[in-house]
Amino acid sequence: AQKITQTQPGMFVQEKEAVTLDCTYDTSDPSYGLFWYKQPSSGEMIFLIYQGSYDQQNATEGRYSLNFQKARKSANLVISASQLGDSAMYFCAMREGPGGGADGLTFGKGTHLIIQP
Amino acid sequence: SQTIHQWPATLVQPVGSPLSLECTVEGTSNPNLYWYRQAAGRGLQLLFYSVGIGQISSEVPQNLSASRPQDRQFILSSKKLLLSDSGFYLCAWSDEIAGAGRETQYFGPGTRLLVL
Repeated sequence: AQKITQTQPGMFVQEKEAVTLDCTYDTSDPSYGLFWYKQPSSGEMIFLIYQGSYDQQNATEGRYSLNFQKARKSANLVISASQLGDSAMYFCAMREGPGGGADGLTFGKGTHLIIQP
Repeated sequence: SQTIHQWPATLVQPVGSPLSLECTVEGTSNPNLYWYRQAAGRGLQLLFYSVGIGQISSEVPQNLSASRPQDRQFILSSKKLLLSDSGFYLCAWSDEIAGAGRETQYFGPGTRLLVL
């Protein structure tokens, strides 16, 4: 079974609308971290937001927020007031375990977001 | 602030030739270092990680190897490239001191490798 599932291969959204990118995960470890990265056409992976499994509140970073529903194992990224520059691939990733060491990330297959003017 | 460099940016190599990709990090000490590969249209796959000089762990059996000769230098190598080695290679670093469980991996600009 896939550990990270992103069910939306591609999305078209009108500029200034809010966007929700879906991510579900699978782990039996009680300690884990969830990440979202943005990959523009240049290829660089840009860190957007982090959510820890024990965090009580949903993470927010500027226009980005993470809708964390632990019981459903869901960690959707919400982008408010989308901009043309938000067009990119978006990847959800998970680190299993409490961290503090060199734990690699498991990535989903990504969602290609296109913002239309 | 920390920066991470990778070179070359693009590489075209014939099958059977050797490979050496370099990654260096500035502005931090004793980082955890990672090599990932991204096949076209896919997510990233972890290849190697390192917690210190000379300490390399491999995640998948493959045609590649990694070395860490210096604290902030991570090298990805191959003696003989295969067609299947083509892809986008990304180096990343993280700082475990950042906070237990919260350390984030920051990626370099990547190297696009095409094996013909």
